[in-house]
Amino acid sequence: GESVGLHLPTLSVQEGDNSIINCAYSNSASDYFIWYKQESGKGPQFIIDIRSNMDKRQGQRVTVLLNKTVKHLSLQIAATQPGDSAVYFCAENRAGGSYIPTFGRGTSLIVHP
Amino acid sequence: DTEVTQTPKHLVMGMTNKKSLKCEQHMGHRAMYWYKQKAKKPPELMFVYSYEKLSINESVPSRFSPECPNSSLLNLHLHALQPEDSALYLCASSQETNEQFFGPGTRLTVL
Repeated sequence: GESVGLHLPTLSVQEGDNSIINCAYSNSASDYFIWYKQESGKGPQFIIDIRSNMDKRQGQRVTVLLNKTVKHLSLQIAATQPGDSAVYFCAENRAGGSYIPTFGRGTSLIVHP
Repeated sequence: DTEVTQTPKHLVMGMTNKKSLKCEQHMGHRAMYWYKQKAKKPPELMFVYSYEKLSINESVPSRFSPECPNSSLLNLHLHALQPEDSALYLCASSQETNEQFFGPGTRLTVL
C-alpha cells in the first residue's frame, strides 16, 4: 500500500483564512518530505520541503511542520487566497537516500472568495 | 529558462497507432523523469533517466518505450496502447538531489 497519504480529500476555506493540510506517512526511515501544489491543467509545482532533522520550516505564507513521533506532516497556508485553490500533495523520498518523491493521495483545497 | 516543456498538450490515439510524447528542458538538469497521472490520483513514477541512461523502470509495460536522445530531451514512444492507458503524462527534471521541475503534461486519450 501507499506509505504516504492525506487525511482529507477536500478542504474548503474562506479567502483570508489560514489553511492546514495534513499528511500521514508510515515509513519511519523517510528523511526528506516535500509539498507540491498542482493547479488544474498543470504539472505539480514544488512549494516547500523539510528534512527529518527539522521540525518546522517556513516559506512565503507557507509553513511545513514535521512530527516524527506520530509520522505526521502538515502544510499551513496563511491568509489563503483564491489563487491557492489547487490539489496539494505531500511526498516523501524513496528509501536509500534517493530524492525521487513518492506522492501521497492529495487534498483538493477550495478557496471561496 | 526554468521551464520543462511537453508536446503535444493533448493526444488522441487508437490502439493500433504509434505516437511519441516529447519533453524538453534547458536548465542543465541531468535527471529526467516520466510520470503517469490518472484523474484525482497522485503522479506515479514510470521511468528515470540519469545522465542520459535509464536508471529506473517501474515495471512499465513494453508498449511504453522511453528514449533520451540528449541531456535536454526525453521522449516516450507509445505503441499498441490500451484505453486504460489514458491519463496525464508528466515529464520532470532535476539536478539530481534538488527539487523536481514538472512540465504541464500531455493529456492522452486512447480509443
